[in-house]
Amino acid sequence: KQEVTQIPAALSVPEGENLVLNCSFTDSAIYNLQWFRQDPGKGLTSLLLIQSSQREQTSGRLNASLDKSSGRSTLYIAASQPGDSATYLCAVQGGATNKLIFGTGTLLAVQP
Amino acid sequence: DADVTQTPRNRITKTGKRIMLECSQTKGHDRMYWYRQDPGLGLRLIYYSFDVKDINKGEISDGYSVSRQAQAKFSLSLESAIPNQTALYFCATSQGLAGYNEQFFGPGTRLTVL
Repeated sequence: KQEVTQIPAALSVPEGENLVLNCSFTDSAIYNLQWFRQDPGKGLTSLLLIQSSQREQTSGRLNASLDKSSGRSTLYIAASQPGDSATYLCAVQGGATNKLIFGTGTLLAVQP
Repeated sequence: DADVTQTPRNRITKTGKRIMLECSQTKGHDRMYWYRQDPGLGLRLIYYSFDVKDINKGEISDGYSVSRQAQAKFSLSLESAIPNQTALYFCATSQGLAGYNEQFFGPGTRLTVL
């Protein structure tokens, strides 16, 4: 059974720092991995999707990497801003149902 | 306008009541999903549908039922609500492309069962 773990559960950094969020998964047979952002009281916003054949994806200040063989992904946020404060979720997709298996998230606080 | 909408956004109800949560999408996607989110447990899949005539149970379907009324509409029902169904409920959609199914989420419905 696929399990997804995110470390740390919470992170607080001063504005301007570069930071890395970690995601690990137990079954490497995935189709893709998706990173989401969740703001309080709001839905999930898709940030990046990495196909299983890809190593990384970039969008603006965000860079996500995928090492399928070791079951790890990282989300790198450059020059963090207070507006980046949110919960970040990773999810892997695989198997016949293509359903997403989510981690429990990392709560990020960027202090001004 | 949002591509995936959910109604209601908030609902407080009592134990034993029947509740329906509705989801509509304008993305033209075939696949729709219902998840619930609980603190410390992440999101878990309740039901999913790959097209109008296809309904499948997810991890935690007990106590729930769904209806896919049209390609754009997918409703979740709690036949007799109980307090441990208090959670944040999300609807999501994706295209039907094998191996590539980026999911897009609605804003969520916060349900409280007293």
